[in-house]
Amino acid sequence: DAGITQSPRHKVTETGTPVTLRCHQTENHRYMYWYRQDPGHGLRLIHYSYGVKDTDKGEVSDGYSVSRSKTEDFLLTLESATSSQTSVYFCAISDLTARSYEQYFGPGTRLTVT
Amino acid sequence: AQKITQTQPGMFVQEKEAVTLDCTYDTSDPSYGLFWYKQPSSGEMIFLIYQGSYDQQNATEGRYSLNFQKARKSANLVISASQLGDSAMYFCAMREDQNYGGSQGNLIFGKGTKLSVKP
Repeated sequence: DAGITQSPRHKVTETGTPVTLRCHQTENHRYMYWYRQDPGHGLRLIHYSYGVKDTDKGEVSDGYSVSRSKTEDFLLTLESATSSQTSVYFCAISDLTARSYEQYFGPGTRLTVT
Repeated sequence: AQKITQTQPGMFVQEKEAVTLDCTYDTSDPSYGLFWYKQPSSGEMIFLIYQGSYDQQNATEGRYSLNFQKARKSANLVISASQLGDSAMYFCAMREDQNYGGSQGNLIFGKGTKLSVKP
């Protein structure tokens, strides 16, 4: 299994509070991604990173920011959480050297905003 | 327009029978990749199979095969000899290579099909 961990695994927070989710990898892969999964929507890309300090927006980036100061860590921050950000968040990594650019996923973080 | 369409929200299959999960895609990019992932009730995302747009043969991985019909833009997953452990959500996803400009590997997912295997 690819070495990807996410923390916390579960979090309940109140509307308006900041929240940071962490993704940590031990594979030294260059590319990292944050997705959110909601019923009826599959997974949707929030932000991704193609190297240290190199990030870009995905399909549903509003209300989220990211940072990557080290190859192994990719942080997702909700500056002021809203109920619409209640979701399951997945981190994924890829080395983009395999033919398929296969992505390996972390175990997910279930976030509830009350 | 949706780029990945999975028209079957839920399906049932009898144990030991084969089942096909449908996936159609929409892209104008000549180079792309198609993936299937499995998500059991425990929540993890498990990679099953990959098909590149220029691959001449349909991909196979054990009991999984991908029925790739490029002209019809379909990439159906076939599971042979279903097992109880195959009960899960299945997601089709696509990677577009941006007209050879370089892919960042981003995946676009369908909404999924929930497969239930009956004993």
